[in-house]
Amino acid sequence: SYELTQPLSVSVALGQTARITCGGNNIGSKNVHWYQQKPGQAPVLVIYRDSNRPSGIPERFSGSNSGNTATLTISRAQAGDEADYYCQVWDSSDVVFGGGTKLTVL
Amino acid sequence: EVQLVQSGAEVKKPGESLKISCKGSGYSFTSYWIGWVRQMPGKGLEWMGIIYPGDSDTRYSPSFQGQVTISADKSISTAYLQWSSLKASDTAMYYCARRGYGESWFDPWGQGTLVTVSS
Repeated sequence: SYELTQPLSVSVALGQTARITCGGNNIGSKNVHWYQQKPGQAPVLVIYRDSNRPSGIPERFSGSNSGNTATLTISRAQAGDEADYYCQVWDSSDVVFGGGTKLTVL
Repeated sequence: EVQLVQSGAEVKKPGESLKISCKGSGYSFTSYWIGWVRQMPGKGLEWMGIIYPGDSDTRYSPSFQGQVTISADKSISTAYLQWSSLKASDTAMYYCARRGYGESWFDPWGQGTLVTVSS
């Protein structure tokens, strides 16, 4: 089965840029989606199809996908961006989630 | 506004049965797949399965096949997740989520239903 690998944690200084990676075999050939989950809340879609932002998601959130790595980039990180982030793909009629990355804003 | 509203928290004993629900509103319920996702305490998201309420076509993750049953009642715009015999290891938060039309992402998500199984 297809696997997605994310770092357990990423730290970023307030106002700086955070990059969260999602690794998978030839992931660049798939559509990657990203979700933000704050403590005690349901996940929220922040990026779909590699690099598209749903309405209401700040422009500070962006995404890219190539080769074996997809990346979620959060510019000018704010305290409110502290959350768990999950990548997701669809593979052979299965939904696959990455293990999640905890983002800490210092 | 598109919304998914889930049923409330449940506390059950091992061996008991349970059915939780997810009611859709603000869109054509029969035209979008609804997925179910498990999140065990302190852990990540696990996909359980998905149903198309229009014709009840259902797909299960291999990890959950035979462990749960997903169904839907389109007359009341509600999807269900049920267990026939709960185990302590079923203790988790369960989310429903709408799959984008013709897409592979999920949005929005329900608020979650916490299921606690304890003797």
